[in-house]
Amino acid sequence: QKEVEQNSGPLSVPEGAIASLNCTYSDRGSQSFFWYRQYSGKSPELIMFIYSNGDKEDGRFTAQLNKASQYVSLLIRDSQPSDSATYLCAVFVYQTGANNLFFGTGTRLTVIP
Amino acid sequence: DTGVSQDPRHKITKRGQNVTFRCDPISEHNRLYWYRQTLGQGPEFLTYFQNEAQLEKSRLLSDRFSAERPKGSFSTLEIQRTEQGDSAMYLCASSLEIVVGINYGYTFGSGTRLTVV
Repeated sequence: QKEVEQNSGPLSVPEGAIASLNCTYSDRGSQSFFWYRQYSGKSPELIMFIYSNGDKEDGRFTAQLNKASQYVSLLIRDSQPSDSATYLCAVFVYQTGANNLFFGTGTRLTVIP
Repeated sequence: DTGVSQDPRHKITKRGQNVTFRCDPISEHNRLYWYRQTLGQGPEFLTYFQNEAQLEKSRLLSDRFSAERPKGSFSTLEIQRTEQGDSAMYLCASSLEIVVGINYGYTFGSGTRLTVV
């Protein structure tokens, strides 16, 4: 089983602040990395993916990847109460004939108005 | 609607009964996955199909669980002789893999919440 570690939180930030979510993974063969947002009682929703070392920005979201450190993070700028959710880190590892996407346990984020 | 559809959204069943869930993936996607998620945990992989072929089953998938994907279209997940420990959200997802090893993420359905009483 591929290990994907996340701080379960909860993480609380005031509205307008930057929320920083972190994830580490154990398999050096990991090829791509995803962040999913999951509201309570709902299914996961893909919000970001990243393949290469460095930063990838999409609106208020920035994903950061450091393969040498086996570390991926998600920054949410100008946090809004609607960002309050659990954020799941997922790691894709290609294996012939096998499932490839492995999830962490998620970090619960609360944005305080 | 071009998303992943799951039916039913909720299911309450008595212990020992059989249940069946259905998933309709995004039509262009060639891979279909079943995951299970319990409170406070991330989704855990159960099984997946490439077209109509079931290519992998997790150790979580006991003999009471069976999944099918006839003709590579919709999929069903059946749980026989349900137990209270089967209570969870059952998630279906689909993805498109054109180039081997390149995946742009899985799209999840709304899930089926199973409660075994």
